[in-house]
Amino acid sequence: SQQGEEDPQALSIQEGENATMNCSYKTSINNLQWYRQNSGRGLVHLILIRSNEREKHSGRLRVTLDTSKKSSSLLITASRAADTASYFCATEVGGGADGLTFGKGTHLIIQP
Amino acid sequence: NAGVTQTPKFQVLKTGQSMTLQCAQDMNHNSMYWYRQDPGMGLRLIYYSASEGTTDKGEVPNGYNVSRLNKREFSLRLESAAPSQTSVYFCATKQGARPFVQYFGPGTRLLVL
Repeated sequence: SQQGEEDPQALSIQEGENATMNCSYKTSINNLQWYRQNSGRGLVHLILIRSNEREKHSGRLRVTLDTSKKSSSLLITASRAADTASYFCATEVGGGADGLTFGKGTHLIIQP
Repeated sequence: NAGVTQTPKFQVLKTGQSMTLQCAQDMNHNSMYWYRQDPGMGLRLIYYSASEGTTDKGEVPNGYNVSRLNKREFSLRLESAAPSQTSVYFCATKQGARPFVQYFGPGTRLLVL
């Protein structure tokens, strides 16, 4: 079953604007990751935030984590056309098993 | 340094046919994974291998078998393909230690008619 659920499912903004997408998950986590998928490509890791962290930055990316609400957000500032992609949050399967559980993703379109 | 490679890139099968999807990595990672991605969905774990010689089921293993041939290669086999297995298949790898960041191949698009 899907652990994470992203919101919104799709987002269209103008180039230069900020994009925010959210992820909710169901069970306790050790960390949460965000991945990007360009059309027709594999996933690329963007950023990981540990359960004891509340905010993390990487370039134009800012991720927040609220473990009390079981939610995370990904903010992309000063968006560019190249940011057009699908974004997925992922958490560890857990329970002694390996692997990641992904949400359904947010499809982000940056309009020039 | 190719990272994670997958072959073929695209395949069309008829119902009941068999095929093997190949995955190879040159990252010297211990763990390898097979996921499937259906339209509008996130990735779902089919099988994984924590090390050479070991394999374990993921969330959706039915209809698939895997082989961890050596540290570099992890194959996924469909013995009797069904239309429900039409999907995009991704192989991924991970170093042994935390954090569990995974590195993905480009995917294999499979259409079962």
